Amino acid sequence: QSVLTQPPSASGTPGQRVTISCSGSSSNIGSNTVNWYQQFPGTAPKLLIYSSTQRPSGVPDRFSGSKSGSSATLAISGLQSDDEADYYCSAWEDSLNHWVFGGGTKVTVL
Amino acid sequence: EVQLLESGGTLVQPGGSLRLSCAASGFTFSNYAMTWVRQAPGKGLEWVSAISGGGGATYYADSVKGRFTISRDNSKNTLYLQMHSLGADDTAVYFCARDRISRVYASSWYAYWGQGSLVTVSS
Repeated sequence: QSVLTQPPSASGTPGQRVTISCSGSSSNIGSNTVNWYQQFPGTAPKLLIYSSTQRPSGVPDRFSGSKSGSSATLAISGLQSDDEADYYCSAWEDSLNHWVFGGGTKVTVL
Repeated sequence: EVQLLESGGTLVQPGGSLRLSCAASGFTFSNYAMTWVRQAPGKGLEWVSAISGGGGATYYADSVKGRFTISRDNSKNTLYLQMHSLGADDTAVYFCARDRISRVYASSWYAYWGQGSLVTVSS
């Protein structure tokens, strides 16, 4: 049972907009920023969004992040087949004094 | 270019011990906190442990506290994870990752990751 809750799966057709939610509490997302990671099978995670809304250089602007209260959202617009991957949210948990991850969301392009 | 290379993963018997290493290059190692994240087969990411740049501050997930020890040798640019009393639940790929500053910090992120090292606990 992850501290941060994500839907196990999300899907869309090419060109569509897909959103992934990450629900937490006042002791994690509610008081800290959120990072999102993208992971393809058999590879290391890649930083996709940091500080809730910022994109590292090289990440397409089709990916965007937002945060409201104790929840965060990753949006993928103009969905492409290359976006098929697992996506994880992460935040600092004040009560544990360490990082926690969401359970991950598998995105499928139909 | 920042590079992180894990090693030491292997098959180990239940109750056994193992030490993982993460060799770093392409940056001033002592200037950055480092972390270990693991992923059990077919499962999600689990944060395991972190250490500050100077090594004076360490953090552990409850699932490994008292069994795992994180350390670093800044003269060798290497991060370690000493694991004891291993059980089947510890079977996972272990990734090392670099923080963005020298201290373990809530408003941080991991931009650099190693390729992972597989630890299998089985008799």
